[in-house]
Amino acid sequence: NAGVTQTPKFQVLKTGQSMTLQCAQDMNHEYMSWYRQDPGMGLRLIHYSVGAGITDQGEVPNGYNVSRSTTEDFPLRLLSAAPSQTSVYFCASSYSPGFSGYTFGSGTRLTVV
Amino acid sequence: AQSVTQLDSHVSVSEGTPVLLRCNYSSSYSPSLFWYVQHPNKGLQLLLKYTSAATLVKGINGFEAEFKKSETSFHLTKPSAHMSDAAEYFCVVSRDFGNEKLTFGTGTRLTIIP
Repeated sequence: NAGVTQTPKFQVLKTGQSMTLQCAQDMNHEYMSWYRQDPGMGLRLIHYSVGAGITDQGEVPNGYNVSRSTTEDFPLRLLSAAPSQTSVYFCASSYSPGFSGYTFGSGTRLTVV
Repeated sequence: AQSVTQLDSHVSVSEGTPVLLRCNYSSSYSPSLFWYVQHPNKGLQLLLKYTSAATLVKGINGFEAEFKKSETSFHLTKPSAHMSDAAEYFCVVSRDFGNEKLTFGTGTRLTIIP
């Protein structure tokens, strides 16, 4: 089915470990974004991309890296996990976010202990 | 910069009664506005959007929203609540229809009383 696919769905990390959250879309969307969702804070933008090879920081980028080597994939890397990065992470894609909004993946629930 | 304020963190209504979820926005441009719904342990689904066309916007599942520039509001309504409407709702603003950054409100949890 067409859409945004995130893996894994659940992950537990120890403080200091690194990992990559995977995101793939098959809709040929140029725009992709990563958000984190924390209780009472809505969704906050971590990083975004406007096309292959082009990324930029969002509102809360510290501790995260991204790259966009293909249109389809937009992985999010946690360099050295901290308990403050415990959250639900959503990847989203769009052909025109300001006009059509984003299509969201089902999320990754990450716990850092 | 744009921002959005959802005026109620939690709204409870009885099944069959009207729903009103309030949202005010701030933007220096002509914004695009969206409402998303998130059911428990699910992703986000687009309910409706305003992108400078008709000010009264109809969405899925009987929801509507009206863009009022003079009041900087974009409230979400539904004439008759259904049990399946129980979810969290997010009001979202984009600076303009050409902008890739969306700013989310903090969410309103809607509870439906049987």
